[in-house]
Amino acid sequence: AQSVTQLDSHVSVSEGTPVLLRCNYSSSYSPSLFWYVQHPNKGLQLLLKYTSAATLVKGINGFEAEFKKSETSFHLTKPSAHMSDAAEYFCVVRDTGFQKLVFGTGTRLLVSP
Amino acid sequence: GAVVSQHPSWVICKSGTSVKIECRSLDFQATTMFWYRQFPKQSLMLMATSNEGSKATYEQGVEKDKFLINHASLTLSTLTVTSAHPEDSSFYICSARVGALNSPLHFGNGTRLTVT
Repeated sequence: AQSVTQLDSHVSVSEGTPVLLRCNYSSSYSPSLFWYVQHPNKGLQLLLKYTSAATLVKGINGFEAEFKKSETSFHLTKPSAHMSDAAEYFCVVRDTGFQKLVFGTGTRLLVSP
Repeated sequence: GAVVSQHPSWVICKSGTSVKIECRSLDFQATTMFWYRQFPKQSLMLMATSNEGSKATYEQGVEKDKFLINHASLTLSTLTVTSAHPEDSSFYICSARVGALNSPLHFGNGTRLTVT
């Protein structure tokens, strides 16, 4: 079975500093991996996706993630945090049946002025 | 881009009553939609997969008689919480896939259900 582990439940940064949200996955096959963002009482918005093409994936709002098979990681980064980035971030892996998504437990990003 | 519209965004109901939540794909056809439940400060748990024109596939532990799913058209899936109880209070989110099987899901904005 596939799974994802988000290593930090909370990450706090100052505005203008880099962001790193960590995600490790477990998969028996070549996985599809996603990062979604959720603002309070809202649905989820896709930030970026990895589907076995380029290992460095660029997403919206300046976010990017690098797929590292040797480390089974898919960490999300952004060079400079903005106040509007404060939200919950979910790392997600899609199972081999292409239907179900398996969600990580989420990382809450806090951005201080 | 693809838009998934969910209605209502929030609802308060009394114990014992039923509540219907709608999920619509506004600019695309969705043969498959997914219903998730999210408890406060927790991740999303898949409840069921809704297939147009056929019965929904429920995840283990989800009561199909309590959470009725209907996917009567390619643009609409509904989730009805029957005989709601306070423990059913939660955030319910639907999603739909646009295009091929390996394409990502697009999510609705969710419905906050409070059962008093």
